[in-house]
Amino acid sequence: DAGVTQSPTHLIKTRGQQVTLRCSPKSGHDTVSWYQQALGQGPQFIFQYYEEEERQRGNFPDRFSGHQFPNYSSELNVNALLLGDSALYLCASSSRDREYGYTFGSGTRLTVV
Amino acid sequence: AQSVTQLGSHVSVSEGALVLLRCNYSSSVPPYLFWYVQYPNQGLQLLLKYTSAATLVKGINGFEAEFKKSETSFHLTKPSAHMSDAAEYFCAVSPNDYKLSFGAGTTVTVRA
Repeated sequence: DAGVTQSPTHLIKTRGQQVTLRCSPKSGHDTVSWYQQALGQGPQFIFQYYEEEERQRGNFPDRFSGHQFPNYSSELNVNALLLGDSALYLCASSSRDREYGYTFGSGTRLTVV
Repeated sequence: AQSVTQLGSHVSVSEGALVLLRCNYSSSVPPYLFWYVQYPNQGLQLLLKYTSAATLVKGINGFEAEFKKSETSFHLTKPSAHMSDAAEYFCAVSPNDYKLSFGAGTTVTVRA
């Protein structure tokens, strides 16, 4: 049983560009959350999607946007990239009752140059 | 607002010794509390979760944590460290099990 799958694993972008990161949740999960983990820090909550809608959002600017598809997969979009956006972006999925907590993917390492 | 403080950014233990990682939380409501482990170049793996069912929570790989409301603590322990326990450990709190707020992490090294 595949867990959470994220793509791509690594990405290099130039300042000002736009990027799209993708996440497929674990089978049976319908809720997807995105986190940003800067080097040497704990993950920071970006937002969570449930039933194709953003349910909760962290303290991130509007340059960060997302989407959830009918098959529960999700995308994270970041516009007008800044050097400070360089980080590991983690996707986490869970079932509706969150009985077993959140399952995290291995992340996408984004480097902005 | 909910937050977590992990005391000690680095912990070094000898193989076979006790592992103790400290976590204090602040929350205006009874929280959900979690410990996650992260190995290099990997995502986070759930070690254990507190949901008010029992104050002593047993997790995977021999880890356990005790919820102490009076001390607002949720320290993680393992009686005997193994080389494979070398990793980064994160404590997290959630008021409603939606958004997770993580601590800064504690890196554990295990000496042979």
